[in-house]
Amino acid sequence: NAGVTQTPKFQVLKTGQSMTLQCAQDMNHEYMSWYRQDPGMGLRLIHYSVGAGITDQGEVPNGYNVSRSTTEDFPLRLLSAAPSQTSVYFCASSYWDRGSYEQYFGPGTRLTVT
Amino acid sequence: RKEVEQDPGPFNVPEGATVAFNCTYSNSASQSFFWYRQDCRKEPKLLMSVYSSGNEDGRFTAQLNRASQYISLLIRDSKLSDSATYLCVVILPGAGSYQLTFGKGTKLSVIP
Repeated sequence: NAGVTQTPKFQVLKTGQSMTLQCAQDMNHEYMSWYRQDPGMGLRLIHYSVGAGITDQGEVPNGYNVSRSTTEDFPLRLLSAAPSQTSVYFCASSYWDRGSYEQYFGPGTRLTVT
Repeated sequence: RKEVEQDPGPFNVPEGATVAFNCTYSNSASQSFFWYRQDCRKEPKLLMSVYSSGNEDGRFTAQLNRASQYISLLIRDSKLSDSATYLCVVILPGAGSYQLTFGKGTKLSVIP
């Protein structure tokens, strides 16, 4: 069981470039989400999805797009990278089962925008 | 007032010590509460859920005080491997069952 995988692990972009951060899970979880983590800011929710074909904005969605065509995959697109998007990005998948909650994070993508 | 607040620490404690972290939340209607652990340069991992009646998992005890709007995490007999940042997490009302709000974390260093 791979759990939640993310690629790439590291990325350097120039301002204005676009790219897609990949996230996949093999646990058949309906709910997936993207967070960014900045020093002194904690984790902040960017976008989330409650199932294939359904996405919604979190706390800090500007500059990012998502889609969810399958249960397994939830890519995050940076449309035109800015230095303010330098951060560590975590993808997560979750489920509730009879009152029991589980959430698993991927290993993260460290992005630097110059 | 921030939605979820934690003392950032660091808490430096000797091995074998008992250490407690508190976390306060601003919305009294918050529904679910968790503690996560994050090692340096790693992803957060769910440590334990926090139930109204309190719950224990080995050396770890979590408590919820709804009247005062705080949750706590007690670690007994600290080990070197407990060194990490501990994140308090709350699900706010109206946020849906899956939208978590994270505190900024409390850093713990257990010293030999």
